[in-house]
Amino acid sequence: QKEVEQNSGPLSVPEGAIASLNCTYSDRGSQSFFWYRQYSGKSPELIMSIYSNGDKEDGRFTAQLNKASQYVSLLIRDSQPSDSATYLCAVKSNTGNQFYFGTGTSLTVIP
Amino acid sequence: SAVISQKPSRDICQRGTSLTIQCQVDSQVTMMFWYRQQPGQSLTLIATANQGSEATYESGFVIDKFPISRPNLTFSTLTVSNLSPEDSSIYLCSVAQGPGQPQHFGDGTRLSIL
Repeated sequence: QKEVEQNSGPLSVPEGAIASLNCTYSDRGSQSFFWYRQYSGKSPELIMSIYSNGDKEDGRFTAQLNKASQYVSLLIRDSQPSDSATYLCAVKSNTGNQFYFGTGTSLTVIP
Repeated sequence: SAVISQKPSRDICQRGTSLTIQCQVDSQVTMMFWYRQQPGQSLTLIATANQGSEATYESGFVIDKFPISRPNLTFSTLTVSNLSPEDSSIYLCSVAQGPGQPQHFGDGTRLSIL
C-alpha cells in the first residue's frame, strides 16, 4: 500500500469553477500535511499546510483535513487557467522527518 | 522563505562519470533533503542531509552511489556516482526550518546520461 494516494487525473474544470483534489494517507499517526503545486518543468511550490482537523482557507484555496478518515483535500475556488498544474499531496512521516509525496493530480482549467 | 540556489540547473554526462550537485541556502536551515523525480513521476526521497554527520538514506539508496555532504547549515552537495542511463532524472534539494515544517524546494538539476 502506498503511503499517500491521489487520483492522477487528469482533472479538467472550466474557468471559474471549483476544482476538488483529494488525497488519502496510510500513516494514522501523521500530524502534518501539505499541498504543493508543480508547473511543468518547474519544482514544487508550497500552497498550503494543515495540521488540525477541519478547514483552512488561504485566498482561493481551502485545505480540508479529516484525520479519522485519513483524508486531505484541496479546493480551488474560481479556478483560473494559471491554476493548470500538477498538485502534489505530501504527508510527514509520524516516525521521522521525511515527507511522503503522492503521485500528483494533473489539473487543467479550461478558459 | 529561504532562497535556495541549486547548481547546475542541467547537465549531460557520460556513463561511468559522476556529477556533484550543490544546494546553497541564503539563511541557516535545520533540515535539508535530496529528492529524485523521474519523468512523469512524483518525488522520491534519497536522503536527509545531516549537518556534520553522515546522511540518512532511504531504502534503495546507498552512500556509495549517492554520497552527500553537509558541512554547515546553509550548504549541501549530492554526488551521483558511476552514472548510468537509469540515473537520468531531476534531482531536487529541499529545506525546512524544523520537524513538521513545510519543505521548500530548489529549482532542481536536470541530469541526462549519454
